[in-house]
Amino acid sequence: LAKTTQPISMDSYEGQEVNITCSHNNIATNDYITWYQQFPSQGPRFIIQGYKTKVTNEVASLFIPADRKSSTLSLPRVSLSDTAVYYCLVGDGNQGGKLIFGQGTESSVKP
Amino acid sequence: DVKVTQSSRYLVKRTGEKVFLECVQDMDHENMFWYRQDPGLGLRLIYFSYDVKMKEKGDIPEGYSVSREKKERFSLILESASTNQTSMYLCASSPPTGLSYEQYFGPGTRLTVT
Repeated sequence: LAKTTQPISMDSYEGQEVNITCSHNNIATNDYITWYQQFPSQGPRFIIQGYKTKVTNEVASLFIPADRKSSTLSLPRVSLSDTAVYYCLVGDGNQGGKLIFGQGTESSVKP
Repeated sequence: DVKVTQSSRYLVKRTGEKVFLECVQDMDHENMFWYRQDPGLGLRLIYFSYDVKMKEKGDIPEGYSVSREKKERFSLILESASTNQTSMYLCASSPPTGLSYEQYFGPGTRLTVT
């Protein structure tokens, strides 16, 4: 079973850039890496997805090194409303691409 | 916008009861999923379905079954609820976009079994 590892929590201040890294060994060759955001009492919400190198959208950037054994979600200039739990989602190369959520990183933004 | 709705936000059931959790999506998605979420354990996949009447076991299928008679509806069934099934249950759907994992989640059902 492929294992994904994220920091349990991170603290930051408004206006800072927040970077959250997910480690994922044995990711399937053609699988995407996807990140989700979850606020209390809500279901997770898709943020960004990538396969390699760098992807950027209006919300975040995603950096994926060549070996694809990790990925880093980057949130620029965070605000209080970015306080949430962030999950990475990858396929499991040992199980035919079955989806494996990380444990989630609780990111708290302080004023 | 994609909308995934779940039949209840909060549910309290007694041990041994049969429990039905309903999920409906309005975007004609082929794939639908049931997860449970527990503190410290993240999201764990119970079952998923990639087509009507098709189902696949996820990581923790024991004690659960599912039904998908129509494309837009995916039901999770607890045949005989137990206290260790007290949890947040999340439904999701996604189109069959190859290896993309963009899933759309419902708001969740917090089930308490007493």
